[in-house]
Amino acid sequence: AQKITQTQPGMFVQEKEAVTLDCTYDTSDPSYGLFWYKQPSSGEMIFLIYQGSYDQQNATEGRYSLNFQKARKSANLVISASQLGDSAMYFCAMRGLLQGAQKLVFGQGTRLTINP
Amino acid sequence: DAGVIQSPRHEVTEMGQEVTLRCKPISGHNSLFWYRQTMMRGLELLIYFNNNVPIDDSGMPEDRFSAKMPNASFSTLKIQPSEPRDSAVYFCASSLSQANEQFFGPGTRLTVL
Repeated sequence: AQKITQTQPGMFVQEKEAVTLDCTYDTSDPSYGLFWYKQPSSGEMIFLIYQGSYDQQNATEGRYSLNFQKARKSANLVISASQLGDSAMYFCAMRGLLQGAQKLVFGQGTRLTINP
Repeated sequence: DAGVIQSPRHEVTEMGQEVTLRCKPISGHNSLFWYRQTMMRGLELLIYFNNNVPIDDSGMPEDRFSAKMPNASFSTLKIQPSEPRDSAVYFCASSLSQANEQFFGPGTRLTVL
């Protein structure tokens, strides 16, 4: 079974500061993928970034980077130079990468608020 | 390009009524997923299809829920009869079967009175 834990229900950050959202995971799959999604107040789920368990380098997408520490089973999202528009719920998710294993398991989410 | 399309966006119904939620995946995607989001349980996968075939329906809560995918461009999630505890946001998502990210639709907010 797979499990995602996000221990920060809410975070408050000043605009332009960097922010780290925590995510730890548990799985017995030898190969897996880790995802972050953003859910603004409008409700849609927006894909942000992906990290494969065998990727040698941490994933980056613009202001988003994923701090992947495999031994610690953590996949923290780092947002640099935060903006007011970054205020949203953020979900960490994972799935196994074996053939046919496409089920995404989500964490409970972290509500990020960027203060001006 | 159009993203995943869901209808209706909002549905209010009375307990006992049948509810049908609809989804059109992104053209060319051959995997389709139905999720439910509630405050208590978060985001949970209900069922997913590969090439129109249901692969994993272990998340479907009970027999009142059913899902179909008659062709590559359309899927339905039906609740009959609906109950107040079914109130939630229901998301449809699609992906290329071997790709990494799933693209979500805007969701249907269901309220059962």
